[in-house]
Amino acid sequence: EADIYQTPRYLVIGTGKKITLECSQTMGHDKMYWYQQDPGMELHLIHYSYGVNSTEKGDLSSESTVSRIRTEHFPLTLESARPSHTSQYLCASSEHPENTIYFGEGSWLTVV
Amino acid sequence: QKEVEQNSGPLSVPEGAIASLNCTYSDRVSQSFFWYRQYSGKSPELIMSIYSNGDKEDGRFTAQLNKASQYVSLLIRDSQPSDSATYLCAVTRSGYALNFGKGTSLLVTP
Repeated sequence: EADIYQTPRYLVIGTGKKITLECSQTMGHDKMYWYQQDPGMELHLIHYSYGVNSTEKGDLSSESTVSRIRTEHFPLTLESARPSHTSQYLCASSEHPENTIYFGEGSWLTVV
Repeated sequence: QKEVEQNSGPLSVPEGAIASLNCTYSDRVSQSFFWYRQYSGKSPELIMSIYSNGDKEDGRFTAQLNKASQYVSLLIRDSQPSDSATYLCAVTRSGYALNFGKGTSLLVTP
């Protein structure tokens, strides 16, 4: 059973607001990821981290930013939310990049 | 060419039948292969991983890997309505993050 937690699970926010989606894992995994998924659509990797103070952008261009100050914590921030940011954001972690990745329950973001 | 290709479906099978889900990948040096199941509105959950050519069985699920043909499949025996979900194929190679396919929607009809 994976121990990876995301908050908030659901969020409705106004355009222009700053938001941070929290992600924490208790497995000690070095590798952490953020995926974005619209309903019924494919997963897109938007950010990943291979360890503390290491972050990289993924395949899909995103206006969000991430930080990795502690191994267990990988928050995602949108400085100014727009309706186009409405989506599900999935945090994940793995022990090694080529190993199984475990997903959190996701954060559903709606920007109005 | 997308790195991981799956037929989006929907694939419809009657209850009790075998469901066969297929995936092809383009990176010949891929080393690790995974099948995830995703129910509507939920996050993906791992069903199986496979790393070497051949078959790997786990309960009603069998994963098959053919690296020469760059092909991975998932067989679900005795399909149940609760198996109705989207099945995601994921592929990776050393040091790289997983690449996911678009997923195949499976519908098991009673």
